[in-house]
Amino acid sequence: SQTIHQWPATLVQPVGSPLSLECTVEGTSNPNLYWYRQAAGRGLQLLFYSVGIGQISSEVPQNLSASRPQDRQFILSSKKLLLSDSGFYLCAWDGQRNSPLHFGNGTRLTVT
Amino acid sequence: SQQGEEDPQALSIQEGENATMNCSYKTSINNLQWYRQNSGRGLVHLILIRSNEREKHSGRLRVTLDTSKKSSSLLITASRAADTASYFCATALTDNDMRFGAGTRLTVKP
Repeated sequence: SQTIHQWPATLVQPVGSPLSLECTVEGTSNPNLYWYRQAAGRGLQLLFYSVGIGQISSEVPQNLSASRPQDRQFILSSKKLLLSDSGFYLCAWDGQRNSPLHFGNGTRLTVT
Repeated sequence: SQQGEEDPQALSIQEGENATMNCSYKTSINNLQWYRQNSGRGLVHLILIRSNEREKHSGRLRVTLDTSKKSSSLLITASRAADTASYFCATALTDNDMRFGAGTRLTVKP
């Protein structure tokens, strides 16, 4: 069966520090991968998606970047965190277009 | 930008009652999906309804879709305390762009 792992679960980082959040998927090949951010009490904002290794599409201009070094690995990064980067970050995958998304358990990032 | 918008924002009911949540969207869709999120966790897919379907059932869940009104509803029958969560509708603007509403926070009191 397919599983998705996302870590860490919580993270507290000072302003100006770097960020690296990792997401891996098991049990499937060539998944579409997604990074979403959720502000408190709000819906999800799509940040990045990837349809293959090295292929990254960005939805909004921001302080963050994403990379897909391996088929089932998706990384969210920042060189210098801002206070506004605080939020709940969710990784997700799907196998084909318009199919249900499968989410990780999220990372709660607090930038202080 | 959001595509779907849920209504109401919050709903509080007693155990055993039915809960109805509504979703409106703006553009043409291939399908509409409902997800559930427990506090502090990832979203879990509940049900997908295609644009050529009008109603779909899964256990205690009933979803309707009215493409002429660009709206959908999620009905949870005989609610339980464990149904307490946030519920989101989602539609795909493009193949890889699933847009979520702000959600309905459902509280089921025992």
